[in-house]
Amino acid sequence: AQSVTQLDSQVPVFEEAPVELRCNYSSSVSVYLFWYVQYPNQGLQLLLKYLSGSTLVESINGFEAEFNKSQTSFHLRKPSVHISDTAEYFCAVSESSGAGSYQLTFGKGTKLSVIP
Amino acid sequence: DAGVTQSPTHLIKTRGQQVTLRCSPKSGHDTVSWYQQALGQGPQFIFQYYEEEERQRGNFPDRFSGHQFPNYSSELNVNALLLGDSALYLCASSLGYGRNLGNTEAFFGQGTRLTVV
Repeated sequence: AQSVTQLDSQVPVFEEAPVELRCNYSSSVSVYLFWYVQYPNQGLQLLLKYLSGSTLVESINGFEAEFNKSQTSFHLRKPSVHISDTAEYFCAVSESSGAGSYQLTFGKGTKLSVIP
Repeated sequence: DAGVTQSPTHLIKTRGQQVTLRCSPKSGHDTVSWYQQALGQGPQFIFQYYEEEERQRGNFPDRFSGHQFPNYSSELNVNALLLGDSALYLCASSLGYGRNLGNTEAFFGQGTRLTVV
């Protein structure tokens, strides 16, 4: 079984400042890693994912996440946030093969609040 | 493309009642998964349907059941509601059972907010 820990439930940050949302996972098997974003009154949207290869993955709106196998982490970063980035962010894992590869295990989420 | 649509958006039920939630997958998708998101928690996997059969199930009691129709839409049924069943219920659709989440993408609906009183 896998588990995901998001270390911060809420992160306030000023507009144009950098931000890091932390995620650690635990698994006895190989996993895929995901970040989802949930804007108010909307469903979850995939932000980025790590499957294999380069440990740094990027999204189209300036977010990036780095897979660190030794620290079992997948932290999300953005060098300069905008008001529109205010949302809840969920880190998730799925097994890379087998029955567990069809379901996501989520963390509890981090609410990012961007302050003007 | 309407994406994943869920109905109703909000629902209030009394303890002990039964409830049915509905989901229409994204156009072209044939696999539907259901998740429960309690307040302050991340979504938890309930089960997944493909070809009208339950294929995967999370750690939820038998009070939670589902159905998938030939048009790929799906229902989630919860019997004998408990106060603890109050949550946001999310439906996610994807293409192709047998394609793990590294090879396909799960698209989520806005959810149904169920309140049990």
